[in-house]
Amino acid sequence: SQTIHQWPATLVQPVGSPLSLECTVEGTSNPNLYWYRQAAGRGLQLLFYSVGIGQISSEVPQNLSASRPQDRQFILSSKKLLLSDSGFYLCAWGGGPNTEAFFGQGTRLTVV
Amino acid sequence: AQSVTQLDSQVPVFEEAPVELRCNYSSSVSVYLFWYVQYPNQGLQLLLKYLSGSTLVKGINGFEAEFNKSQTSFHLRKPSVHISDTAEYFCAVSRAGNMLTFGGGTRLMVKP
Repeated sequence: SQTIHQWPATLVQPVGSPLSLECTVEGTSNPNLYWYRQAAGRGLQLLFYSVGIGQISSEVPQNLSASRPQDRQFILSSKKLLLSDSGFYLCAWGGGPNTEAFFGQGTRLTVV
Repeated sequence: AQSVTQLDSQVPVFEEAPVELRCNYSSSVSVYLFWYVQYPNQGLQLLLKYLSGSTLVKGINGFEAEFNKSQTSFHLRKPSVHISDTAEYFCAVSRAGNMLTFGGGTRLMVKP
C-alpha cells in the first residue's frame, strides 16, 4: 500500500534561518506531489506541485521554493525564513486524474 | 477557475444530534468533490468523494454527502454525531487532474 512520510513533525526556527522540509512517498511511482500551507485559522493554500522529477510549478509567489530530486521525494525550502512563514505545512500525493490526494501528517513550523 | 465556499466557520452541536456542514462550489467545468477531516495537528483524511454516478455519497464514520448540481452544493451530513467527530472539515473540488481547491474549513464542535 502507499504511504507518505513527512518530517519533522514540529520545527521552531529563528527569523532569517534556512528551512528544509522533506516528504517521501512509498508504494507508488511517478506520483503528482503537492505542498500546501495552512495558516492559523485559515484554509489550505496550494504552494507547489510537481508532476515529475525536476518539474515544479508554483501557485503563489513567496519566500519558499520546492525541489523534486527523486521520483518520490519532494522538498520544501527557504533560504531565509520570515515570521509570516509560520504555519502547518502539508505534503500530499495524488494517484491519477480526478482522484483524491493523500496527505502526510504535516509539519508545524513556528518562526520566532 | 473554480472556488469552494464553506458557509460556516464553526458549527457547535450537541452529542447525538444531527449535523449538516455546508459547501458550495463554483466551476466552469465538471467537478469532482471531496470532503476531508482534519484532527488537531494531523494531516487530512478523506471522508468521502463524488466522482460520478449516484448523487448521494456515503463515507467513513457514518458521514454522507449529496451532490446537487443545480444548487452547486455538496453538503456533508451525519444523523448523530459523537464527541470524537470534533475536528475541522474541508470541502474540496478538483481541477486539472487532481490539484484540489479547498474551502476555508468548518470547525465542528460536539458538546456533551
